[in-house]
Amino acid sequence: QSALTQPPSASGSPGQSVTISCTGTSNDVGGYNYVSWYQHHPGKAPKLLIYEVSKRPSGVPDRFSGSKSGNTASLTVSGLPAEDEADYFCSSYAGSNLWVFGGGTKLTVL
Amino acid sequence: QVTLRESGPALVKPTQTLTLTCTFSGFSLSSSGMSVSWIRQPPGKALEWLARIDWDDDKYYSTSLKTRLTISKDTSKNQVVLTMTNMDPVDTATYYCARWWVTTAAFDIWGQGTMVTVSS
Repeated sequence: QSALTQPPSASGSPGQSVTISCTGTSNDVGGYNYVSWYQHHPGKAPKLLIYEVSKRPSGVPDRFSGSKSGNTASLTVSGLPAEDEADYFCSSYAGSNLWVFGGGTKLTVL
Repeated sequence: QVTLRESGPALVKPTQTLTLTCTFSGFSLSSSGMSVSWIRQPPGKALEWLARIDWDDDKYYSTSLKTRLTISKDTSKNQVVLTMTNMDPVDTATYYCARWWVTTAAFDIWGQGTMVTVSS
């Protein structure tokens, strides 16, 4: 299974919205509604933000939202606060009990 | 509170076998729907899913690494162990364990990771 494609970097000013894409194939992102997104501050444990494309776990602010169109999933972060500066990565089920991850996107709050 | 913590050697030599332990608390791996996976991230590269063990002891492995990996659990100790044989410098990475839960079909809780360097 090949890694999902994410832009290496993204940026936005405080209060703005930023969208990060995650592109796969019909064998993973496009074939299943099991896309999840994670926030990772270096040195800390990654945190689940979105599961099943667009669902938020309890405690995750509603400024994080997810969607999917075809083979591309997206994470939108609205009303950027400074503490959202982190790495973000996606994951998708790839069939046959296999999982694939994206390369990660470094989000900078300007 | 659910927590996971990875432990193991920071340095291994090429051809050696790596043994990593994931010690967890706050949930039982004998509960239906619970699983623990190992995931790694080489420096500057994408995360790579390695293996998963389920509550019923079913095991799944990365297609490209399955000949080198073995995952096991000790429910009484709340531990999951991953062994990787024939280590190579390209296996240098941060290794994470994460809980997978059927309710979210996602890796909902992660450890902080442990860095493993393969070098002679």
